[in-house]
Amino acid sequence: GESVGLHLPTLSVQEGDNSIINCAYSNSASDYFIWYKQESGKGPQFIIDIRSNMDKRQGQRVTVLLNKTVKHLSLQIAATQPGDSAVYFCAETSLNDYKLSFGAGTTVTVRA
Amino acid sequence: EAQVTQNPRYLITVTGKKLTVTCSQNMNHEYMSWYRQDPGLGLRQIYYSMNVEVTDKGDVPEGYKVSRKEKRNFPLILESPSPNQTSLYFCASSLRDSSVETQYFGPGTRLLVL
Repeated sequence: GESVGLHLPTLSVQEGDNSIINCAYSNSASDYFIWYKQESGKGPQFIIDIRSNMDKRQGQRVTVLLNKTVKHLSLQIAATQPGDSAVYFCAETSLNDYKLSFGAGTTVTVRA
Repeated sequence: EAQVTQNPRYLITVTGKKLTVTCSQNMNHEYMSWYRQDPGLGLRQIYYSMNVEVTDKGDVPEGYKVSRKEKRNFPLILESPSPNQTSLYFCASSLRDSSVETQYFGPGTRLLVL
């Protein structure tokens, strides 16, 4: 079946380095993608989103890249900080739909 | 403070004993949703509601019921819980005209069914 998934379940990053978290999706009908951050003991928090008519969107220290040709999504975090340690989920949906499909998540650990 | 609240936060119950997990939001959001989170599976949508008296199934609705009698509340009902419903449950809400762009999630309810 169609699904959203992340390439790696865990990622260890040195503080100050850049992080790249990857996600592959297979539903060609999806046209809206979201990255969430979930800290331990909390619910997911919206980080950044991107629509399918864009290939890049930047926020504060975060950038999302979308490659529709290979159905790939990535989240880049610049100058990773200890507070970035969390589980990161990508999610996909359609703008006319209210169903949201999440990937399995990538656990990011920041080393001091 | 804008927030989504869930109660209880932790619950241990036995198979077959009906339970309700409440969800309330104070942001006047039209859209509300329930997810369950299991290790290695991410979050899976159980049910969602686009407005009062409008609900629809998500990806894993079996064994669950919901109701939306008021805009602020969206309870999740397990009529006859089973051990495979042991999970971490999240309620979320957002403004309808922004679809799911900025969903606010509650703190989660950890359920153990014995």
